[in-house]
Order: sequence, then structure tokens, then C-alpha cells
Amino acid sequence: AQRVTQPEKLLSVFKGAPVELKCNYSYSGSPELFWYVQYSRQRLQLLLRHISRESIKGFTADLNKGETSFHLKKPFAQEEDSAMYYCALRGAGNQFYFGTGTSLTVIP
Amino acid sequence: DTEVTQTPKHLVMGMTNKKSLKCEQHMGHRAMYWYKQKAKKPPELMFVYSYEKLSINESVPSRFSPECPNSSLLNLHLHALQPEDSALYLCASSQDSGGYNEQFFGPGTRLTVL
Repeated sequence: AQRVTQPEKLLSVFKGAPVELKCNYSYSGSPELFWYVQYSRQRLQLLLRHISRESIKGFTADLNKGETSFHLKKPFAQEEDSAMYYCALRGAGNQFYFGTGTSLTVIP
Repeated sequence: DTEVTQTPKHLVMGMTNKKSLKCEQHMGHRAMYWYKQKAKKPPELMFVYSYEKLSINESVPSRFSPECPNSSLLNLHLHALQPEDSALYLCASSQDSGGYNEQFFGPGTRLTVL
């Protein structure tokens, strides 16, 4: 069965510190993975997708098929990074499975 | 136009009312979705339309009735809702072709059922 797990409900880091938001998945096929972000009072928006291997707002995420993980990382957290982050997996039939989310707070 | 729009922004309704939520996109996307999101929780998938046909219904109660009149519009008809149905209802769209198709989300309709 498809499943996305984000073990940390809340995460606080100091400004300038590295941050890692964990995501593990369970999927029988070849996964399509995304990170979505929801800033306060804003709509849910795409942050990263694994296929593009890009860095957005300083964030990167690497797919590790061996560990079935897709952790989100940033070397130096900024206050504007405070938001809710969701890891998502796209399954068959255009179904998207969202993790439970991690609320990141960057302390000034 | 690269946005998904939703109306109304807020809706308050009684348990005997009938109302509709509307969603629109003009990005040429052929997959459209309805999600329900409670506070501090992830979006829960309700329905998926692919090429204007209902392809997924996640065991949603019949008091929620989706409709896709054309490739740009998605409606959610509400009737005889319960207070526990109060939530943010999100619409999303994506290209329905192979490859990595991200979802674009609307701002949501905040529904309160009294």
C-alpha cells in the first residue's frame, strides 16, 4: 500500500542552522515524490519534485530508494522558511498521497 | 493564467441547505481534484476527475456530489451536511499525462456548517 510518513510533527531550528525534514515512503512501483509548502494564510504550493533535482529557496531533496526516503534539507534556515511542509507521493490514477506534515519554526 | 481559482472564499451553511463550491483553471489541465483539509492536518483526497470523468471517489458520503461540466470547471455540490464537515475545501489540477505532473492548488473555500 502507498504511504508517506513524516515522523516529525513539529520542528524548531535557529536561524542559520541546518534543517532536515524527514520523509519516508512506501510504494511498490517507481515513486514520484514531491515536497509541498504551505506558508501562513497562503495556498499549498509545490516546493520541489525529485525528478528535477533542483534547489528551490536553498532547499534540496534527494531520493534514496534503498532507504525509501526523500528528506528535505537546507544548510542555513531563514525565518521566512517557517511554514508547514508536506511530502507527497503520486500514485496510479493521479492519486496524490500526502504525509501528515511537519510544521517548521525558524527561531530568530 | 497559471492559477486555480475557487469561489466562494468562505461559506456558512445550515444542515438543511444546498450550496455549491466552484473551481476553475485555464492551464489546460485534464485532471482535477477535490480535497478536504482540517486545521493542522494534511489534505484528504475526496475526488479525482480525469478528462472530465470521475476516476476516483475516496468513499465520500453522498451528501458531497462532484460535477465536472467541462475541462476548466469543477463543482462540489453540498446537501444536508453535518457540522463535522466544516473544513477547508481545496481544489487542485494537474496535467493528466505521463511524467511528473505537479498539482496546482487553489486557495480553498472555508466551509462552516452550523
